Amino acid sequence: QLHLQESGPGLVKPSETLSLTCTVSGGSISSSSYYWVWIRQPPGKGLEWIGSVYYIGTANYNVSLKSRITISVDTPKNQFSLKLNSVTAADTAMYYCASQYQLGLNSWGQGTLVTVSS
Amino acid sequence: DIQMTQSPSSLSASVRDRVTITCRASQSISRSLNWYQQKPGRAPKLLIYAASSLQSGVPSRFSGSGSGTDFTLTISSLQPEDFATYYCQQSYSSALTFGGGTKVEI
Repeated sequence: QLHLQESGPGLVKPSETLSLTCTVSGGSISSSSYYWVWIRQPPGKGLEWIGSVYYIGTANYNVSLKSRITISVDTPKNQFSLKLNSVTAADTAMYYCASQYQLGLNSWGQGTLVTVSS
Repeated sequence: DIQMTQSPSSLSASVRDRVTITCRASQSISRSLNWYQQKPGRAPKLLIYAASSLQSGVPSRFSGSGSGTDFTLTISSLQPEDFATYYCQQSYSSALTFGGGTKVEI
């Protein structure tokens, strides 16, 4: 079973860039069996897919966020990362990383709360 | 994007009740439908994948059915630990989308 752990600042100022990293253990991020996924959940609301990346670096992004997102893979470190620029208060959320195996998101990190505030 | 609509958004139930939650996709997604359970302060947990396959370790009182656009999650006999919010999610498209959630309350 994979273990995923998010890390990054819990507070980001408006207009700045949110940067998070997900460290994967218990398996290789270079496995062709997985997609690596970022999901967020604003306080008291539902789940929103942010984007996914494959181990070779090809990524798919939520069209509503596409102009602001970069998701990348660092295979030597067994990590993948999210950068979301020009953040506003609407980007305040719990951010989760997860692995997609076959169809389902079968392993999730515990989540990290990111607040956008000056 | 494929829109996922869950109903109801919340329901009240008692222990040992049979509970059914429905999820409708805005277009056919074959059987590419997954169900998750989320408890307060916790990450979601995969219950059912590919519409009806039980994830390892998930109790057999959970079951899923459906194909195309209409799907159902059933809890055959609700247990105290099942009070939570449930989400459906499609993986037919590479742009994943979730339903709005169903909160199961006492």
